[in-house]
Amino acid sequence: KQEVTQIPAALSVPEGENLVLNCSFTDSAIYNLQWFRQDPGKGLTSLLLIQSSQREQTSGRLNASLDKSSGRSTLYIAASQPGDSATYLCAVPHGSGNTGKLIFGQGTTLQVKP
Amino acid sequence: NAGVTQTPKFQVLKTGQSMTLQCAQDMNHNSMYWYRQDPGMGLRLIYYSASEGTTDKGEVPNGYNVSRLNKREFSLRLESAAPSQTSVYFCASLGHTQIGELFFGEGSRLTVL
Repeated sequence: KQEVTQIPAALSVPEGENLVLNCSFTDSAIYNLQWFRQDPGKGLTSLLLIQSSQREQTSGRLNASLDKSSGRSTLYIAASQPGDSATYLCAVPHGSGNTGKLIFGQGTTLQVKP
Repeated sequence: NAGVTQTPKFQVLKTGQSMTLQCAQDMNHNSMYWYRQDPGMGLRLIYYSASEGTTDKGEVPNGYNVSRLNKREFSLRLESAAPSQTSVYFCASLGHTQIGELFFGEGSRLTVL
């Protein structure tokens, strides 16, 4: 059974710091991996999606990497800002193929202090 | 550009009452999903609809029913609400491409007393 784990559960950093959020999964046969952002009281917004054939994806100050063999993904946030404060979740599809049946990690709650 | 719209945003029910959560997407997506989010449990799939006219159970379907009314709308019904169904409910739809991006609504916060 696929399990997704995110460590740490919470992280507090000063503004301007570069940081890495971790996501691990137990079954390497994944179709893709998505990173989401969730602001308090809001829905989830997709940040980056990495296909199983890709090693990384970049969007602005965000870079997500994928290492299927080790069952790990990292989300790198460069030059963090207070506006980056949110909960970040990673998720992989249940089973093989393209599906919205996702298995989520518990999330990492990030606080960036001015 | 509304995306995925959920109503109501907040609801308080008494144990045993029934209600329906509504979800509509304007992106012409085929597949739609209902998740619940609970502290310490993360997001869990309740039901999904791979295409218009089909529905299937997810990880936690007990106590819920769904209806795929048409391609746009996917509703979630609680027939007899229980305190254990106090949660935040999210509807989502799956993008057309083979990439597999999932689009979420803002959520419906339900409290069952």
